[in-house]
Amino acid sequence: GQNIDQPTEMTATEGAIVQINCTYQTSGFNGLFWYQQHAGEAPTFLSYNVLDGLEEKGRFSSFLSRSKGYSYLLLKELQMKDSASYLCAVRGGGGFKTIFGAGTRLFVKA
Amino acid sequence: GAGVSQSPRYKVAKRGQDVALRCDPISGHVSLFWYQQALGQGPEFLTYFQNEAQLDKSGLPSDRFFAERPEGSVSTLKIQRTQQEDSAVYLCASSLGGTSGTIWDTQYFGPGTRLTVL
Repeated sequence: GQNIDQPTEMTATEGAIVQINCTYQTSGFNGLFWYQQHAGEAPTFLSYNVLDGLEEKGRFSSFLSRSKGYSYLLLKELQMKDSASYLCAVRGGGGFKTIFGAGTRLFVKA
Repeated sequence: GAGVSQSPRYKVAKRGQDVALRCDPISGHVSLFWYQQALGQGPEFLTYFQNEAQLDKSGLPSDRFFAERPEGSVSTLKIQRTQQEDSAVYLCASSLGGTSGTIWDTQYFGPGTRLTVL
């Protein structure tokens, strides 16, 4: 079956760095996406990985290892507004489905 | 429009009523997806359109759910004889690409329609 696992909740301090992990098992692979979702709002795109390695985008970086079925999202210089759910999503191969994880709720405290 | 829009934003239906949810994707986007999101969960795939063709409807939970995109732009998700378990947020997303395996596959989401079935 297809499955995405990520921690349910994490807490971090303003100004710190946090790493949110994601492991996946899918039928084929055609890209991994990270989205941010504030409560009651739509998911917004953060990053995309299709090849192994690190993609950096300002305070956010995302890493992918296809052989391990593993990704992480790194958030630096945390701000209170980063408190949100972070969704890991994988586009399987040979089809159109994108499978989403349940999301990691991040709480940033002062 | 700048982004994906959905209407209505909120819908309350009595059990057994039919509802229709509308999605206006980003202009020029080939792909359109519908998702169902329960509280505290990630979006669950319902169906996918490439232009006007519905290429995958494997996520539709029952034959009460029907989606269309007749002219390859606006899409409607229809739920017949609504049940309480249909209560959820229904998200629509569009992307420029189809299955290119590139960043053009990135999906951009609308604000969702929160459906409550009483």
